[in-house]
Amino acid sequence: AQKITQTQPGMFVQEKEAVTLDCTYDTSDPSYGLFWYKQPSSGEMIFLIYQGSYDQQNATEGRYSLNFQKARKSANLVISASQLGDSAMYFCAMILYGNNRLAFGKGNQVVVIP
Amino acid sequence: DTEVTQTPKHLVMGMTNKKSLKCEQHMGHRAMYWYKQKAKKPPELMFVYSYEKLSINESVPSRFSPECPNSSLLNLHLHALQPEDSALYLCASSQGQQGNQPQHFGDGTRLSIL
Repeated sequence: AQKITQTQPGMFVQEKEAVTLDCTYDTSDPSYGLFWYKQPSSGEMIFLIYQGSYDQQNATEGRYSLNFQKARKSANLVISASQLGDSAMYFCAMILYGNNRLAFGKGNQVVVIP
Repeated sequence: DTEVTQTPKHLVMGMTNKKSLKCEQHMGHRAMYWYKQKAKKPPELMFVYSYEKLSINESVPSRFSPECPNSSLLNLHLHALQPEDSALYLCASSQGQQGNQPQHFGDGTRLSIL
C-alpha cells in the first residue's frame, strides 16, 4: 500500500510571497499518480495539480507547480504569489495506476496574511 | 461551483432515522466514490463504483448502503447511524480507473447524528 507524509505544522504566509508545501511518499510500485488538493474551511475539495510517475517534466497549473523528485520520492507543491484566498488545508494524495484507492496525507494548513 | 453536486449540504438526523445522501455528475465520468472526513483529518475512502458496479467497499458498516442507479447518480443510504458517524461526506467522480485522471469532488454533506 502507498503512504503519504506531510509533516509541516500550520504555516503563515505573507500575501504575494511564494510558499512550498512538502510531501513525501512511499511505494515500491513504479506506476503511480500524485495529486494536490485544496480544501477551504467551507469543505469542498478542489483539485489543483497532477504529476504522473513517468512524467519527465514538473507539472504546472497557473500559480501552482509541483517539484517532483522521483529518486527522493518527494512531490512538493509550490504556490507562487500567495493570495488571501489561498488560505486553506492542502492535501497531497497518491494513487497506484489500476488501483482506485486515493491515499491522502494528513494535510498542511496554510494561512495567508495581508 | 463544482461539477459534482451533492445534496443536502447539511443533514441532522436521529439514530433511528433513515435518510439518503445524493450525488450527481454530468461529466461522463464512469467511476464514483464516497469518502468520509472527520474534522482536521484527511478523507477516508468508503466505496468505489466503476461502470455502475461496486468495485471497492472499505469494510464499511452495513448501516451505510451505497447505490448507483445510473452512471450520473450515486446515493448513500443511511440507517441507524451512530454519533461517531457525524462527519463531512464527500462524493467524487473520475473518468475511469486508470489512476492518471483526477477525482473531482462535490462540496460535501455535513452530517450530524443526534
